[in-house]
Amino acid sequence: AQSVTQLGSHVSVSEGALVLLRCNYSSSVPPYLFWYVQYPNQGLQLLLKYTSAATLVKGINGFEAEFKKSETSFHLTKPSAHMSDAAEYFCAVSGRAGNMLTFGGGTRLMVKP
Amino acid sequence: DAGVIQSPRHEVTEMGQEVTLRCKPISGHDYLFWYRQTMMRGLELLIYFNNNVPIDDSGMPEDRFSAKMPNASFSTLKIQPSEPRDSAVYFCASSFRGKVNTEAFFGQGTRLTVV
Repeated sequence: AQSVTQLGSHVSVSEGALVLLRCNYSSSVPPYLFWYVQYPNQGLQLLLKYTSAATLVKGINGFEAEFKKSETSFHLTKPSAHMSDAAEYFCAVSGRAGNMLTFGGGTRLMVKP
Repeated sequence: DAGVIQSPRHEVTEMGQEVTLRCKPISGHDYLFWYRQTMMRGLELLIYFNNNVPIDDSGMPEDRFSAKMPNASFSTLKIQPSEPRDSAVYFCASSFRGKVNTEAFFGQGTRLTVV
């Protein structure tokens, strides 16, 4: 069984500030972890993924995430927020039983000018 | 490839009517997923297929929902009869399980409104 918890359904940052979106997972097998972004009225787009290679994963648009097994975490960061980063972000986990993804509840990121 | 294609993008129907949502996965992908997104419940997996065979339909809410995948390039999700609580955005996604677990690619979704 797998589950994902995203702490904070809403996060607000100022433009240029650090973005930190938290994700903790539970998995009975070594997990594969993903971050997706959803812009209004759009589908989900992959930001980055962890597949048991490097623990620090770099994605698109300057985002990166670090897999910490001891903390069962996969937090998403970006050094400097841009207005265009305003969107909803989803953390997801899948195991070895196919590519079925279990999603967290999502975090809506707001960026203030 | 054009990506995962869903139709229609928007559907408004009256309670009790049958609704059919359609999905064309990315060519060559062997997994297909149907998700539902609502404010209250977030993203929920309804059902997924592997090589056109339903693997897990435990997320299907009730017997009013059914899904088929007659071939590798087409899937449908049907609701009959529809109810207002079925109003949601329905996403189809596909993926290919190669040597390394790969991500799922999502369509743009179908926004269903049942009045």
